[in-house]
Amino acid sequence: KNEVEQSPQNLTAQEGEFITINCSYSVGISALHWLQQHPGGGIVSLFMLSSGKKKHGRLIATINIQEKHSSLHITASHPRDSAVYICAVISSGSARQLTFGSGTQLTVLP
Amino acid sequence: EAGVAQSPRYKIIEKRQSVAFWCNPISGHATLYWYQQILGQGPKLLIQFQNNGVVDDSQLPKDRFSAERLKGVDSTLKIQPAKLEDSAVYLCASSLVGVGETQYFGPGTRLLVL
Repeated sequence: KNEVEQSPQNLTAQEGEFITINCSYSVGISALHWLQQHPGGGIVSLFMLSSGKKKHGRLIATINIQEKHSSLHITASHPRDSAVYICAVISSGSARQLTFGSGTQLTVLP
Repeated sequence: EAGVAQSPRYKIIEKRQSVAFWCNPISGHATLYWYQQILGQGPKLLIQFQNNGVVDDSQLPKDRFSAERLKGVDSTLKIQPAKLEDSAVYLCASSLVGVGETQYFGPGTRLLVL
């Protein structure tokens, strides 16, 4: 079982729809990242959070430490949001490693 | 502010050949990471440098992979000899201090081993 699981693996939505991508993890963490990867490989960090909720524009990220679960929401989705969204966790303790999920491929159709 | 630079962007080699990738992190960033991302998977950490010292290389296949960060700035990652399963995107990232901070990723080097 992977330490970081994302769902769904693939998601197709119509422009304007509200989108949710989920991330569950099995280890103790100090923080969680949400990353966006566009075709061609470039990765951009969207959020780093350790509790509660963060909002940036149309993107909202939430985390529930007790349930070991995080969600990334996109409101009023747009075709330019089409990308792979990756969840990554920083393990707690002395060996702080960044472990990545396998990503969610999002396609937003016009 | 310039981002993380990587070269080459693409490389095609035959198995058993050698290949080297170069990374120039954001100026002033002490920590540099090399990741391997196989198609359809998330990135996997190969090696993490803090300045010019190795912090974590537990997932680096040391029989064929090597990396160095001389002078604590640029870094090179080498594969010698390459295998078919090394086909992947090799991503370099940097952060100001360590793992707990935002990492800035380069565009990656896409390697195809034939």
